[in-house]
Order: sequence, then C-alpha cells, then structure tokens
Amino acid sequence: EVQLVESGGGLVQPGGSLRLSCAASGFSFSDYGMTWVRQAPGKGLEWVSATSASGATTYYAESVKGRFTISRDSSKNTLYLEMSSLRDDDTAVYYCAKQSKGVWPRLDYWGQGTLVTVSS
Amino acid sequence: DIQMTQSPSSLSASGGDRLNITCRASQSVGSFLNWYQQRPGRGPKLLIYGASNLQSGVPSRFSGSGSGTDFTLTISGLQPEDFATYYCQQSYSATWTFGQGTKVEIK
Repeated sequence: EVQLVESGGGLVQPGGSLRLSCAASGFSFSDYGMTWVRQAPGKGLEWVSATSASGATTYYAESVKGRFTISRDSSKNTLYLEMSSLRDDDTAVYYCAKQSKGVWPRLDYWGQGTLVTVSS
Repeated sequence: DIQMTQSPSSLSASGGDRLNITCRASQSVGSFLNWYQQRPGRGPKLLIYGASNLQSGVPSRFSGSGSGTDFTLTISGLQPEDFATYYCQQSYSATWTFGQGTKVEIK
C-alpha cells in the first residue's frame, strides 16, 4: 500500500526557515517524480514544486521560486521541501504527492498534509 | 502560467442528481487535464486523468470530457459521499496549476 507521511510543519516567524519531510513507502520511490502542493486555510489547492524521479530536474511556482528548494533522498525514501524567507501568505497545509508514470501526468497518491503557520 | 477557471464555485444538490462542473484553461492544454475530489480535513483524491480516463477504484458515476480549453466533470447519481470540493488541474506545462475549486453541498 502506498503511504506518504508529511512532517516538519509548525509555527515559524516571518523571515524564518523550515524543512518539511515526506516519508514514502509502498512503492519504488526512486522511480517516480514527486510534488508538493499547498492549501491556505479555507482556500483552494496551489501547486508548489516538483522533482523528477532522479532529482535532477526541479520546478517551482513563481510564488516560491528562489525561497523554496525541493530535494529527495532515495536512500531514505524521503522527499524534502526547504523553505526560507517565509511570509504570512506561506501559511498553509503542505501535501506531498506521488506522480504517476505514463502518457498523462497526474498525482495519484497524496499524504494527509502538515500545517505550516507563519506568524509573529 | 496557465490559468484554470472552474464554474460554478459552489452548488447545492440532492442525492441522485446529475451534476456538471466545468473547467476552462487560459490556453490549450490538450487532454492534459485531471480532476480531484477533496473531502474536509483530508488530502485530495484523483478521480479522472487525461481528461476522460477513470482512475482505478473510482466509481463509474464519475466521468470526464473535453479537450483543448474546455472540460467537464459529470457526476451521475450523486451519492452522500460525493458532497465535497472538486478541483481541475492541468499538467500540460512544466508548472502545473489548479482551478479554484467547486464545492458541492447538500440542498
């Protein structure tokens, strides 16, 4: 069974940093691209960042480019999101999701999310 | 970025109803369009991929159609567990984007 478990969320001051982790199990982690998606309180889903299966290629939303870094450690089956220069509008539940293989890119499994609150 | 616009933003419906939710892209995304369902307090669930392909394990009352810029998610025979928020998402460009969501509430 595919499982994705996020951790590392919490309260951080504006301008601060935080590292999120996503522990993956139930599939061959090194064979699949991975993605972070966030959801501000009461709002919709926002795609944040993605990485290829190897980690060699990464993508970022304009809203986080230059402040967030996605990475992965296949020896630990873990995806990371390093967040710096955090702002109030980064407050959200952060989900990690597994990308599918094949013709139609999609997010076929999601975690339950970890809450990041940016506030003084 | 490709902008995705869903309509309506919310709707009220009764069990057994047939619903259509539409999604429009700011430019053509071919058939690179996915639909997700999100229940309160939970992570999203993939329903439809490639505009019209049903994800394994998803009931057949869910269907998708469209290509280019205009897409539709149809729920035929609304069930109690279908009251949720639905999102479209394009995977055509390197940076993906979601629609703003459509909340389906009980009438």
